[in-house]
Amino acid sequence: EAGVAQSPRYKIIEKRQSVAFWCNPISGHATLYWYQQILGQGPKLLIQFQNNGVVDDSQLPKDRFSAERLKGVDSTLKIQPAKLEDSAVYLCASSLGVGSPLHFGNGTRLTVT
Amino acid sequence: QQQVKQSPQSLIVQKGGISIINCAYENTAFDYFPWYQQFPGKGPALLIAIRPDVSEKKEGRFTISFNKSAKQFSLHIMDSQPGDSATNFCAARVGGGNQFYFGTGTSLTVIP
Repeated sequence: EAGVAQSPRYKIIEKRQSVAFWCNPISGHATLYWYQQILGQGPKLLIQFQNNGVVDDSQLPKDRFSAERLKGVDSTLKIQPAKLEDSAVYLCASSLGVGSPLHFGNGTRLTVT
Repeated sequence: QQQVKQSPQSLIVQKGGISIINCAYENTAFDYFPWYQQFPGKGPALLIAIRPDVSEKKEGRFTISFNKSAKQFSLHIMDSQPGDSATNFCAARVGGGNQFYFGTGTSLTVIP
């Protein structure tokens, strides 16, 4: 079984620039998550999709972050404009659905200078 | 607000020793408690998980102890090995919604 794919692996941008991350979940997984992991901290949920609908985006900074899940499969997370405090690893995870464990990708490390 | 509180922040154990990491929660809507292990440059991977209707679950060298009344659970790694050196996260899931909340992590170092 192929795992969760994320790209790019690394991204360095200047503050106020925009950036986008891509995620391809495990085939057949209905639920997709984006987490933000700041260095030395646990993953923090940004947004959760069930198929292509949003289940929970209560912790997504909507003034600068946006996410979509196209046709209930791939997803993109965008930051515009980026701030210094957005420097973190952005993890994508997927699960079959309610009651199933999370499977994580290896993340995208974002550095904002 | 941290939904799941984890301690210690870091832990150093001799090879063959027992590693113990603790977590506590307040939200009674949590119905599933997994532990994840993360190596540098990798995403977290599921290690072991427990549901609140049992007090203990053991898989190989890994055991979760769960105290529902105290709202606490812990991970025990028996016969710790250098390959166990990683950051371990406890997590909790909200029943029905499948939202997962993570602890702050414990950096485990096993000394040969």
